[in-house]
This record gives sequence, structure tokens and C-alpha cells, in this order.
Amino acid sequence: LAKTTQPISMDSYEGQEVNITCSHNNIATNDYITWYQQFPSQGPRFIIQGYKTKVTNEVASLFIPADRKSSTLSLPRVSLSDTAVYYCLVGYGNKLVFGAGTILRVKS
Amino acid sequence: EPEVTQTPSHQVTQMGQEVILRCVPISNHLYFYWYRQILGQKVEFLVSFYNNEISEKSEIFDDQFSVERPDGSNFTLKIRSTKLEDSAMYFCASISGAFTDTQYFGPGTRLTVL
Repeated sequence: LAKTTQPISMDSYEGQEVNITCSHNNIATNDYITWYQQFPSQGPRFIIQGYKTKVTNEVASLFIPADRKSSTLSLPRVSLSDTAVYYCLVGYGNKLVFGAGTILRVKS
Repeated sequence: EPEVTQTPSHQVTQMGQEVILRCVPISNHLYFYWYRQILGQKVEFLVSFYNNEISEKSEIFDDQFSVERPDGSNFTLKIRSTKLEDSAMYFCASISGAFTDTQYFGPGTRLTVL
């Protein structure tokens, strides 16, 4: 399973766009890139998943360059309720391997 | 939206006691998982379950742990003789089938071993 590296924490203000980058240099051909969000004392919640280029859904966008060695989660116009831990996961198969994640703090 | 449910939300037990954590996965899902998260630490994979048998387990999932799907809807995690270090949040997750499917997590059970 590919190892991922993310910033430990990020701070932002309400209404700003937040971009969290994850590096995964040894991503394998079959691996997908998935981002989860976790609030304290709650289970991880799926945000978005992609394989290459750009994926967009109602809450976020995921940008993946051609070499797939990194990915960027983009959260448009964050609010205080987006304060959470964000995990980048890379893999294909039966289990999810979580890293430490990025603590995003949104301030007013 | 369908969701994974877990009971109880909080379980307090004495060291050495057995506990059973219960999960009801999303109804048409086929793959089931247990993860744990010790306070302040990362989410760790414990075990995956498919077709009524364990498909993969981590080194954490030793002989004190067992899983079963007793009645086609519940998915349980049993910890036979709890230790202080078993105190954690335990999350159940499920997916419908393909490996690229989203894993849906339950709200978790907080296990406190005294």
C-alpha cells in the first residue's frame, strides 16, 4: 500500500478556498485516491475519490496530476463546520490504511 | 441516505471481561470491516469480512478478537478478555462490493476498559 504524506495542520478563515495536498510517490497502477473527513468522536466520512485528472462533487474537488504522485483536495468556501481531520488514502483492495491526516481549523 | 449503525455508543467494562460490539451494515453491502482508533491516534484496520469469513486481518487482531455475522444483518466484534489498552473507538464499515466503492463508516462505539 502506498504511503501518503500530508501537512499535519492547516488554518483557514470562513469563506476561503482550502487546498490540502497529499503526496504518494509510490502509488501503484491500480490504486485509487480517496479522501475522508473525520469530526471528533465520529466515524470517517467519505468526501471524494479519483483515479486521475479532476473529480468534482457537491462538496469538493480532487485534482490529480498526470504522474499521480500527488493529489490536492480543494474545499471551496469553507465554513466553521469544516473544521475536522482530513485523510488522504491511496490503495486498491480490501482495507483502508489511514495516516495521521491533516487537521484543518477554520476560523471566523 | 442508508447508513451503518452501531450499538452501544459507549461501553464501559472491567478488565478481563468479554464485550460484544454490534454493527448493522448497509443492507445490500457485502464486505464488512472493523477499525479502531485509540484516543488521539490514527484509525487502524482490524479485520475485513466477506462471504461469512475473514478475508484479511491486521496484527492487532489477535486471538482475543473474533467477528461473526450471526443473522445476516448484524456484524459483531467480540473481545474475549479486555485489556486496558483495548480502550478506543471502534468503527464498523461496509462497502457494496467492488474494491473501489466507498467504505461507509458507522458512528463508532467508545469502549472504556477500567
